[in-house]
Amino acid sequence: FMLTQPHSVSGSPGKTVTISCTRSSGNIANNYVQWYQQRPGRAPTTVIYEHDRRLSGVPDRFSGSIDRSSNSASLTISGLKTEDEADYYCQSYDGSNQVFGRGTQLTVL
Amino acid sequence: EVQLVESGGGLVQPGGSLRLSCVASGFSFSGYRMDWVRQAPGKGLEWVAHISSSSSIIYYADSVKGRFTISRDNGKNSLYLQMNSLRDEDTAVYYCVRRWNDFCFDPWGQGTQVTVSS
Repeated sequence: FMLTQPHSVSGSPGKTVTISCTRSSGNIANNYVQWYQQRPGRAPTTVIYEHDRRLSGVPDRFSGSIDRSSNSASLTISGLKTEDEADYYCQSYDGSNQVFGRGTQLTVL
Repeated sequence: EVQLVESGGGLVQPGGSLRLSCVASGFSFSGYRMDWVRQAPGKGLEWVAHISSSSSIIYYADSVKGRFTISRDNGKNSLYLQMNSLRDEDTAVYYCVRRWNDFCFDPWGQGTQVTVSS
């Protein structure tokens, strides 16, 4: 299966942006989705796990959700800050196979 | 502090071999499953291989099956990736990652660069 993300999104400081992640086959609800943030030149870090849980230390400006009707997951970032500018990857699995989306570049204008 | 430190990357010719290592600290290494994930230049993340805490269960991505071997030494808190028959398309930063729960990769090491080129 594949996870499809938009290539890029942008928003102004203080605004809200949402990044989608659509699963091509299989039920999005049956296999947890994780979201990772990767700043330029750095290793990824986890922001959301198990669809909508924030890892300790992640600001509550970050939230995750799923939409069964569109078979997709979403990462919403509210109160945008310049430090949020990064690539964001969704990840899920099917049995032993782990799949990442191709990433979304977030630009904070 | 939970930390993963990779080493062993470098420049290798097509068809060559390389062995990556990852040393873990700050947590009970023997109690966690581990993975390797790679990222080609300017590209996204690609899962490579997985090993269970006791080494009894191992999985590979189709792209590396038969060429790469994942292993671990719990006594040395270390994870390894033996890469043989390397191809140009194996050029990437290779990350060592802990399987924090059944589904989530956390944390990630800083990565080690592997370049396959003649």
